[in-house]
Amino acid sequence: GAVVSQHPSRVICKSGTSVKIECRSLDFQATTMFWYRQFPKQSLMLMATSNEGSKATYEQGVEKDKFLINHASLTLSTLTVTSAHPEDSSFYICSARGHGPPYEQYFGPGTRLTVT
Amino acid sequence: GIQVEQSPPDLILQEGANSTLRCNFSDSVNNLQWFHQNPWGQLINLFYIPSGTKQNGRLSATTVATERYSLLYISSSQTTDSGVYFCAVGSGGGADGLTFGKGTHLIIQP
Repeated sequence: GAVVSQHPSRVICKSGTSVKIECRSLDFQATTMFWYRQFPKQSLMLMATSNEGSKATYEQGVEKDKFLINHASLTLSTLTVTSAHPEDSSFYICSARGHGPPYEQYFGPGTRLTVT
Repeated sequence: GIQVEQSPPDLILQEGANSTLRCNFSDSVNNLQWFHQNPWGQLINLFYIPSGTKQNGRLSATTVATERYSLLYISSSQTTDSGVYFCAVGSGGGADGLTFGKGTHLIIQP
């Protein structure tokens, strides 16, 4: 149980274009979903938290107009990187948790974004 | 915000050896998770352990919340145990995301 999927697993786009990443909880209802970013050889950093039907809460330093998050249902959250630039190239990972406690989070396999 | 420190940063062992990874955190938590990140980047949940002790096969973990640290034990290491091990903590309730440590890079040599 507790499976989270992400799509696509890998994407290459040109500078200035937008990219949408989907995160789905496959076998449970995700009250809360989270988006993290990981640069090479570094740890994961929380970008934003989203609750179904509510606006996302962004961490300090994360541009909400650049990283659009939509949590439209209890099983789907999307992250759209708008007007992507090479510095946005990174590994984006989502996680989800059900109605807790416990507050255990389950992670998707990640999406590797390369902006050329 | 809460700080998470993991040690050691790197560890190289021979197959069959035992290891202990440590995670120190700076404030009280209501979520502590250990992960193994595989070579493809997938985070594998090892333990959800905000307090107490748990065991799963060759792996076990202990969190002493009052002293703000957690330990991950790996016994009889196998080459497939290689990878990065992360400790991550959360506080303030389930709506909070996790703060990750920098990880321990474990290499098990045959």
